[in-house]
Amino acid sequence: NAGVTQTPKFQVLKTGQSMTLQCAQDMNHEYMSWYRQDPGMGLRLIHYSVGAGITDQGEVPNGYNVSRSTTEDFPLRLLSAAPSQTSVYFCASGGGGGYNEQFFGPGTRLTVL
Amino acid sequence: GENVEQHPSTLSVQEGDSAVIKCTYSDSASNYFPWYKQELGKGPQLIIDIRSNVGEKKDQRIAVTLNKTAKHFSLHITETQPEDSAVYFCAAFGSSYGNKLVFGAGTILRVKS
Repeated sequence: NAGVTQTPKFQVLKTGQSMTLQCAQDMNHEYMSWYRQDPGMGLRLIHYSVGAGITDQGEVPNGYNVSRSTTEDFPLRLLSAAPSQTSVYFCASGGGGGYNEQFFGPGTRLTVL
Repeated sequence: GENVEQHPSTLSVQEGDSAVIKCTYSDSASNYFPWYKQELGKGPQLIIDIRSNVGEKKDQRIAVTLNKTAKHFSLHITETQPEDSAVYFCAAFGSSYGNKLVFGAGTILRVKS
């Protein structure tokens, strides 16, 4: 099993550009989530999904969109990148909703100029 | 929604000493409390977790205690080793405000040899 994979590992964008961060898992987990990590602020939840076709907002959803068409994939879209979105982004998945271990991907380091 | 506070933000201990990290949560309906360890350049990894029907859990040198009345839980690491140096995150999960896993801001643990 590959676990949770994220692409790309690094990305530099200009303000106003759009892009999609990819996340895939091969553990058949229903629960998937996106976090951003900023210095001194821990991991903040952006969006999460409890199954295909079901998504909901986390603590910091503004500027980000998600969709969940399959169990395996949970892409995160930045519609118009802003410097405030410079961060490290982690995708995670887990079984049994959020009540069990979450497996994190290796992260995507995004810089918005 | 849920709010998790974590202290201290940094902790330095001598090899062989114990380390304690404390977290408080706001939502009395939260019932799952995991601890994650993040090494440099990697995604967080679960090290131990506790559910609300248990007051204490131990796994070798690591233990977690939960006080539901006071709404706080703590991570205890005994006989610390240099490889324990990392960032540690606590988290709380409950369904009263949606199925959200909310993290604390993290503690940087340095074990000096």
